Amino acid sequence: QKEVEQDPGPLSVPEGAIVSLNCTYSNSAFQYFMWYRQYSRKGPELLMYTYSSGNKEDGRFTAQVDKSSKYISLFIRDSQPSDSATYLCAASWYGGSQGNLIFGKGTKLSVKP
Amino acid sequence: DGGITQSPKYLFRKEGQNVTLSCEQNLNHDAMYWYRQDPGQGLRLIYYSQIVNDFQKGDIAEGYSVSREKKESFPLTVTSAQKNPTAFYLCASNPQGLSNYGYTFGSGTRLTVV
Repeated sequence: QKEVEQDPGPLSVPEGAIVSLNCTYSNSAFQYFMWYRQYSRKGPELLMYTYSSGNKEDGRFTAQVDKSSKYISLFIRDSQPSDSATYLCAASWYGGSQGNLIFGKGTKLSVKP
Repeated sequence: DGGITQSPKYLFRKEGQNVTLSCEQNLNHDAMYWYRQDPGQGLRLIYYSQIVNDFQKGDIAEGYSVSREKKESFPLTVTSAQKNPTAFYLCASNPQGLSNYGYTFGSGTRLTVV
């Protein structure tokens, strides 16, 4: 039930690269999927929010959910040094028993100038 | 601007000492949460509260205590029973305690045992 798996990295890419961050999950009841960005020594901030399967785009960021394979992805186009942060995926079912989001452990991304 | 304020930003604790971390929100959110974050371990839930004067233990509540006397405030006390308290502590809130809305986080408190 409490399974969201995420590769911790670290992931290092050159500026301008396309970045792909991924998570898998095991609970088929999950319907809401989120990506949080956390800068060093700061709290996470909600970056992308997706309901059910499909894609959602916001500027350089695209969130993708494939419920058939239980796979969550975040793509960053034209990556910038300011994108260097830890990215956490999270999942929930409607209502969320006891109000708890299930988080992955986070992937640390470094974008080199 | 609405948000969550955590204080202090850095806190040092001596062995055997209790310390309290402050968390205040002006978002009018019903639910509040405390997480502990350690390198490589992700976010671990300590306590959460869905309503004033009520709270539940999370996955790692031992050595911690909380209170929820006001909707806006959810302080966390790290007691001397917590043997390894050095970590980054995050407070979060949610509008109605429904996780599908996502959480708003504070900026965290770094606690170090000296």
